[in-house]
Formats: sequence, structure tokens, C-alpha cells
Amino acid sequence: AQSVSQHNHHVILSEAASLELGCNYSYGGTVNLFWYVQYPGQHLQLLLKYFSGDPLVKGIKGFEAEFIKSKFSFNLRKPSVQWSDTAEYFCAVNTHSGNTPLVFGKGTRLSVIA
Amino acid sequence: GAVVSQHPSWVICKSGTSVKIECRSLDFQATTMFWYRQFPKQSLMLMATSNEGSKATYEQGVEKDKFLINHASLTLSTLTVTSAHPEDSSFYICSARDPTGTGGHQPQHFGDGTRLSIL
Repeated sequence: AQSVSQHNHHVILSEAASLELGCNYSYGGTVNLFWYVQYPGQHLQLLLKYFSGDPLVKGIKGFEAEFIKSKFSFNLRKPSVQWSDTAEYFCAVNTHSGNTPLVFGKGTRLSVIA
Repeated sequence: GAVVSQHPSWVICKSGTSVKIECRSLDFQATTMFWYRQFPKQSLMLMATSNEGSKATYEQGVEKDKFLINHASLTLSTLTVTSAHPEDSSFYICSARDPTGTGGHQPQHFGDGTRLSIL
């Protein structure tokens, strides 16, 4: 079974600071990887996803993530955060066929202060 | 794009009441839907996999008699919380797997969630 570990529980950054949120997964086979964002009081939204190909994936709102297979990692990055990026961020994984449910990490709360 | 509609978005009811939550795929047929539960400040935990025309598959620790799942059509799955108690208060989210995905991948689309509060 797959599992996902997000190392940071709560990250506090000033506006314009760079962001990197860690995500590691454990699974022996090929996986799909996702980052979701949940703004306060809203539903989950897909930020970006990796299925195959270029390990550097660009998503919406200036976010990107890099899949490093040797490290089983899929860290989320953004060069300059904004106050509006304040939200909960979830990393998720499922098997490459997509036939299995998503397994989510515990989430990282990002607070961006002015 | 593909949309999953979840209803109601918020329900408050008395202890002992049964509550039904609906999850609909609006522009695709979903043979498989998933039900998740999210406690405050925690991640989504898979409760069960709902398969059209057959019994749901429940995750370990989830009471199937407590959380009844019915997937009677290709566009609708329902979760009924029977005899709900305050500890059942949570945020319930469904997702539907889109079988028309390309490249052999079947993306999952999430509903907006249902906030259930049991008094």
C-alpha cells in the first residue's frame, strides 16, 4: 500500500519569500503524484500532477513540483509567495493506472504574512 | 471540465438522525466513486470505495452498518450516516473516477464536500 509523508506541519513565510514543501511517498511501483490546495472554507483544488515524462511539473498559480524518483520525493515549490497562498496543501499519490483511490499526506498549513 | 456535485454542502441535525449525502458526476459516468472523511486540521482519510452495481469496499475501521453506501447508477453515489452521533461530525468528501481519461490514466474529480454537524 502507498503512504505519503509531508514533513512540515505548519510553515510561516513572509510575502515574496520562496516556498518549498516536502513530500515523500512509499510504494514499490509506478505512481501518479498530486498536489492539492485547500483554501480556508473551500474545497480541494488540484495544483499540479505528475504522471510521467518531464519530472519538473508546472501547475497553476506559479507552483511547480519536481519528481525525484531516487528519493521518492515530489516537493512543491514557488519562488515568491503571496498572501493569497495562505492555505492547506496536500500531497497525494495513487498507482499509475489511476484505478486506486488517492492516498493523502497529512497536509501542510502555509501562512503567508505581509 | 468534469464536475462532481455533492449535496448538501452543510447539514446540522440532532443526534440519532440519519443523514444522506449525495455525490453526482455531472458530465461523465463514474463506475467508481470514493468517499473520504476529513477531521479538522487533518488530512483526508479514505472511508470506502463505491462501485456501481455492487457492494462498496470499506477501509479497515470504517463501520459499514454505520456508513451505508449505495451506488445505484453511473452518476450517483450516496453515503448515509445512520443514527448519527456527535463523533460523526466531520467533513465528508466524495470523488469520482473519470474513465474517459487519456494515457491510461483515470483522473479523480472531487466534490465540494459536506460539513456534517451533529448536535
